[in-house]
Amino acid sequence: GQNIDQPTEMTATEGAIVQINCTYQTSGFNGLFWYQQHAGEAPTFLSYNVLDGLEEKGRFSSFLSRSKGYSYLLLKELQMKDSASYLCAVSLGGSYIPTFGRGTSLIVHP
Amino acid sequence: EAQVTQNPRYLITVTGKKLTVTCSQNMNHEYMSWYRQDPGLGLRQIYYSMNVEVTDKGDVPEGYKVSRKEKRNFPLILESPSPNQTSLYFCASSSPQATGDLAKNIQYFGAGTRLSVL
Repeated sequence: GQNIDQPTEMTATEGAIVQINCTYQTSGFNGLFWYQQHAGEAPTFLSYNVLDGLEEKGRFSSFLSRSKGYSYLLLKELQMKDSASYLCAVSLGGSYIPTFGRGTSLIVHP
Repeated sequence: EAQVTQNPRYLITVTGKKLTVTCSQNMNHEYMSWYRQDPGLGLRQIYYSMNVEVTDKGDVPEGYKVSRKEKRNFPLILESPSPNQTSLYFCASSSPQATGDLAKNIQYFGAGTRLSVL
């Protein structure tokens, strides 16, 4: 694999903010993706980062540091429907096909 | 409606009985991929195709075959299924060229095929 590491599980309270981290090997880095996957469903695209910095999209933001091989997904104003797995995926090398991490299962409770 | 269609959605079979899972996309995407998803292991790539008649092995290709004779279709073939191939399978398509950034290879996934090999 590409040594993509993210926490297995996180819990948070409705209305709160949660940060899901992802680290990866930096050699041959092209870009980084975050996907959301609800139980029993297909993954859906959330965000893409190629340059250092923060990309904001509504309640969701994604940050990238290329030199550190580090990204995070920030979810604000958590809602119950945000309970899902969040997959970090990295594109490395010449094929541009992303490799996925094992995913972080986020549980939002009232 | 733009979509990736997999069939069947659910399949129970027995060891050694050849099967094919079909995948079709209507978005004229160049890239197509197959993944399997297992608890604790995440999404692992089986095979991918960057265009018609071009296929490459992913991380876990053993026991699988694919073909890309037409742009829209990318079937996954299990010649002799075994119980360790019991899994949830996803097909995906993408078109990095359409985004103007080859690295921005956003995957669009089918609904998944849940396979049980007894």
